[in-house]
Amino acid sequence: AQTVTQSQPEMSVQEAETVTLSCTYDTSENNYYLFWYKQPPSRQMILVIRQEAYKQQNATENRFSVNFQKAAKSFSLKISDSQLGDTAMYFCAFMKGGYSGGGADGLTFGKGTHLIIQP
Amino acid sequence: NAGVMQNPRHLVRRRGQEARLRCSPMKGHSHVYWYRQLPEEGLKFMVYLQKENIIDESGMPKERFSAEFPKEGPSILRIQQVVRGDSAAYFCASSPMGRGEGSPLHFGNGTRLTVT
Repeated sequence: AQTVTQSQPEMSVQEAETVTLSCTYDTSENNYYLFWYKQPPSRQMILVIRQEAYKQQNATENRFSVNFQKAAKSFSLKISDSQLGDTAMYFCAFMKGGYSGGGADGLTFGKGTHLIIQP
Repeated sequence: NAGVMQNPRHLVRRRGQEARLRCSPMKGHSHVYWYRQLPEEGLKFMVYLQKENIIDESGMPKERFSAEFPKEGPSILRIQQVVRGDSAAYFCASSPMGRGEGSPLHFGNGTRLTVT
C-alpha cells in the first residue's frame, strides 16, 4: 500500500512571498502519478498540478511548480508570488499507474497542509 | 461543460435512517470514485465504479454501505442505518479514463452528512 505524508499541518506567509509545501510518499511502484489538489473553504477539490513519475522534468503551472525527487520520494509544491486567493488546504496525492486488477485505490491523499496567505 | 454535480450539498439524518448521496459525473466520464473526508483529514478512498460495474470497493465498509452507477442516471452512495460516526463530507470524482492511466480526477463539491 502507498502512503503520503505531509509534515506541515499549517503554514502562513505574507502576500507576494514564495512558499514551499512538502510531501513525501512511500511506494514500491515504479509507474505512478503525483498530484497537488487545493481545497478552499468552499470545499471544492481543485487540481493544481500533475506529475508523471517517469518524467524527470518538474511540472509547472503558472505560479505553481513542483520539485520532484524520485529517489528521495519527495514531491514539494512551490507557490510563487502568493495571493490571498491561494489560502486553502493543499493535499498531495499519489496514483498508481498501470492496471493492477482489483484491490488498488484511485488516489491516496496526504492529510493536507493549511496554507494561510496574510495581506 | 458542467462539472461533477453532487446533491444534496448538506444532508441531515437521524441515527438509524438511510442516507442517499447522488453524483452526476462530468459529461463523457464513465469512471466514478467516492471518497470520504473526516474533519482535519485528507480524503479516503471508498469505491470505484464504471457504468453498471463496481470495480473496487476495498475502501467501503462491508456493512450498511453500498454504491451503484446505473446505465442511466447518477451514481448513488447509500448508507443504511446511519450512525454518528458516518458524519463526514462525501466527495464524488469522475475521470474519462480508468485509473492507472494518470487521468486527473475531477471532484464535485461534496455532500456534508450530519447524523444527529
